[in-house]
Amino acid sequence: IAGITQAPTSQILAAGRRMTLRCTQDMRHNAMYWYRQDLGLGLRLIHYSNTAGTTGKGEVPDGYSVSRANTDDFPLTLASAVPSQTSVYFCASSGTENTGELFFGEGSRLTVL
Amino acid sequence: GQNIDQPTEMTATEGAIVQINCTYQTSGFNGLFWYQQHAGEAPTFLSYNVLDGLEEKGRFSSFLSRSKGYSYLLLKELQMKDSASYLCAVMDSNYQLIWGAGTKLIIKP
Repeated sequence: IAGITQAPTSQILAAGRRMTLRCTQDMRHNAMYWYRQDLGLGLRLIHYSNTAGTTGKGEVPDGYSVSRANTDDFPLTLASAVPSQTSVYFCASSGTENTGELFFGEGSRLTVL
Repeated sequence: GQNIDQPTEMTATEGAIVQINCTYQTSGFNGLFWYQQHAGEAPTFLSYNVLDGLEEKGRFSSFLSRSKGYSYLLLKELQMKDSASYLCAVMDSNYQLIWGAGTKLIIKP
């Protein structure tokens, strides 16, 4: 089934540990995004990539890093997790940059203790 | 600052009509988007408005007034499966999406 796959679906992590959330899409979309969703707040952009080989910082990039080695994969890494990074993380993609029509993965629920 | 305001929660009856409002203040405007998000699932795109007026798509319609910084999503002939959160998002002058916190719509039989 075409779309975006995220892994893991859910994870409990001890503070200070390193964690990578995986995101793969098979739609050949150029632009990809990582958002976090917290109760009572809108989706907040962490990092984005307009095309393979390039990345940019979003609204809340601190504590997170990304890479875009190829078109399909866009992993998000938490170098040293903290409890405030407890959230639901969504990866998304779009066929072109500067469009608001995004396709989202099913989300990764991360709990940092 | 930039902000998107929408009601936190609304309740409506199956078969009825409901209007979900969204007001925005952003640095520039490059379109307004509505998404649907069922509990525990991913947001899915519903509609896009960039010019003033009403866009109709089946049971769902979206309206935009740029001069008032206002939009609404109209859902007709409500079904139980329409129970979800509805997210309003505006694309600003830098082509960044600014998201509202979402409106949780509860449909009662």
